[in-house]
Amino acid sequence: AQKVTQAQTEISVVEKEDVTLDCVYETRDTTYYLFWYKQPPSGELVFLIRRNSFDEQNEISGRYSWNFQKSTSSFNFTITASQVVDSAVYFCALRYNFNKFYFGSGTKLNVKP
Amino acid sequence: GAVVSQHPSWVICKSGTSVKIECRSLDFQATTMFWYRQFPKQSLMLMATSNEGSKATYEQGVEKDKFLINHASLTLSTLTVTSAHPEDSSFYICSALLIISNTEAFFGQGTRLTVV
Repeated sequence: AQKVTQAQTEISVVEKEDVTLDCVYETRDTTYYLFWYKQPPSGELVFLIRRNSFDEQNEISGRYSWNFQKSTSSFNFTITASQVVDSAVYFCALRYNFNKFYFGSGTKLNVKP
Repeated sequence: GAVVSQHPSWVICKSGTSVKIECRSLDFQATTMFWYRQFPKQSLMLMATSNEGSKATYEQGVEKDKFLINHASLTLSTLTVTSAHPEDSSFYICSALLIISNTEAFFGQGTRLTVV
């Protein structure tokens, strides 16, 4: 069975603070993909990153960085120097079984000025 | 990049009526599309897999007679919520699978349904 756990329901930070969103997953598949999506109040899902199970290299994209560790089944997401525009709900997702997505429960990030 | 468009973006309907939501892949063909549902402040849950030219596959607990899915062409899947009730009010979002690679799925912008 697939499972994605985002233990942090809601996080509030002050602008310019760094923040890490946690994601822990479970799957029996040896090949799988992990994703992070941003969902602003308008509702659409904004793709942030995809990582396959064979690539454990950490990735940095501007203020965003991701730490993938298979040993702990974690795929954490860090925003450096957060901004008000980063306020949104962030979903971690596991893609399995021919492109079905299993989403975590989401973490609502509030960045205050 | 690949674009998936949903229409309408939001809809309000009366209890007992049916409402149709369209999901279109604008610049690519998709043999497979997926429909998700998101209740307020909750996660997205897969409802069904829509396959072009064949019957949709529903996830456990999803009523197929309530949520009719039609995938008549390689660029269009529709979800019809029949005899809608207030508890059907939700955010519905589709994703389309890129036919060439079958490895990438793209999400629509979602449809917010309110049943009054």
